[in-house]
Amino acid sequence: ELKVEQNPLFLSMQEGKNYTIYCNYSTTSDRLYWYRQDPGKSLESLFVLLSNGAVKQEGRLMASLDTKARLSTLHITAAVHDLSATYFCAVDEGYGGATNKLIFGTGTLLAVQP
Amino acid sequence: KAGVTQTPRYLIKTRGQQVTLSCSPISGHRSVSWYQQTPGQGLQFLFEYFSETQRNKGNFPGRFSGRQFSNSRSEMNVSTLELGDSALYLCASSLAPTVSYNEQFFGPGTRLTVL
Repeated sequence: ELKVEQNPLFLSMQEGKNYTIYCNYSTTSDRLYWYRQDPGKSLESLFVLLSNGAVKQEGRLMASLDTKARLSTLHITAAVHDLSATYFCAVDEGYGGATNKLIFGTGTLLAVQP
Repeated sequence: KAGVTQTPRYLIKTRGQQVTLSCSPISGHRSVSWYQQTPGQGLQFLFEYFSETQRNKGNFPGRFSGRQFSNSRSEMNVSTLELGDSALYLCASSLAPTVSYNEQFFGPGTRLTVL
């Protein structure tokens, strides 16, 4: 059974600092997603990572995937208050093709302090 | 391009009642997945439909059911509601599982409260 662990659960950062959120998963998969959720809102897609070594960047966020280590990271560079939200990683249960059955991590609540 | 729409946005029901939630995917998307989000259990997969067929189902009791119509719109039904069914129900649509870059886009959710 696929399990997804995310850490830390809560991250309080100062503006301008860098930090990394980690996402480990337990069984083979080649599709990993990162989402952002603001309070009371739905999930916003940030990144889709489809292969080993995939790296994607958007603004101050960069995501990477190591399928051999079953690890993805979401790196935040020079944090700003607008990045405050809950970040989820999600892994597709399939391998070699999408099942659209996503197993989500517990989420990381990011609070960026001025 | 319109996003995923879900109706209703808010619902209040009492125990024992049943409820039907609706999801309209992005135009051209043929796969619809449903998720339940609660503070205690987090985000959990309910089921996924593609071409009117349920391809996958999560670990939920039979009270939770769904269907997909020929226009890709989907509904989920919960019968005999329990207090623990109070949650945010999210629908996600994607092009098709056969597409390599198969990104799922989420709707705004339906907030169900069971009293």
